[in-house]
Amino acid sequence: DAGVIQSPRHEVTEMGQEVTLRCKPISGHDYLFWYRQTMMRGLELLIYFNNNVPIDDSGMPEDRFSAKMPNASFSTLKIQPSEPRDSAVYFCASSFFDRHNEQFFGPGTRLTVL
Amino acid sequence: EDKVVQSPLSLVVHEGDTVTLNCSYEVTNFRSLLWYKQEKKAPTFLFMLTSSGIEKKSGRLSSILDKKELFSILNITATQTGDSAIYLCAVGAGVLGTSGSRLTFGEGTQLTVNP
Repeated sequence: DAGVIQSPRHEVTEMGQEVTLRCKPISGHDYLFWYRQTMMRGLELLIYFNNNVPIDDSGMPEDRFSAKMPNASFSTLKIQPSEPRDSAVYFCASSFFDRHNEQFFGPGTRLTVL
Repeated sequence: EDKVVQSPLSLVVHEGDTVTLNCSYEVTNFRSLLWYKQEKKAPTFLFMLTSSGIEKKSGRLSSILDKKELFSILNITATQTGDSAIYLCAVGAGVLGTSGSRLTFGEGTQLTVNP
């Protein structure tokens, strides 16, 4: 299996622009998680899905952030409009239902907002 | 609010040394405690612990959980330069299918192993 796939790996954009991050989970996994990692706040859960349905989005920082999972093999995290404080590494992870805490992480997207 | 605290935050040792990393937690409806290793990329899974007193072992790494005292330790024996990484502790808590699938991560311990 190729593991969790994320794109792009690096994104540099200007403040105010829309940013879309993409994730393909491991085939067969029931859960998909979006995390953000910064030096100041460490690794934070933003939102997670079970069988394509958002379960907990309490970690989404504000309305500028939105996430969708239109099918079992694809998810997006969108930031509109982006701000410099959104600069971070964004990870996607997936897991099986019966081992939902054993999460497999993608390589991450390093986002820089100028 | 769930809390996970790791110590030390940073550790520098020489090859061959043994290290012990600590993780304490305060959560509601504990389900599991996990250890991840993060080098310059994504965290990779090491161990998942759900029961007290049962040691999990993988090569030179081992970990144990104490659910009464609410902590876990990760031991690395005969350290190598390749062990240099951030070690993250995470706790899964809550009810499966709702909040039970979220992990709360600690700040991590930055381990540096010098030759």
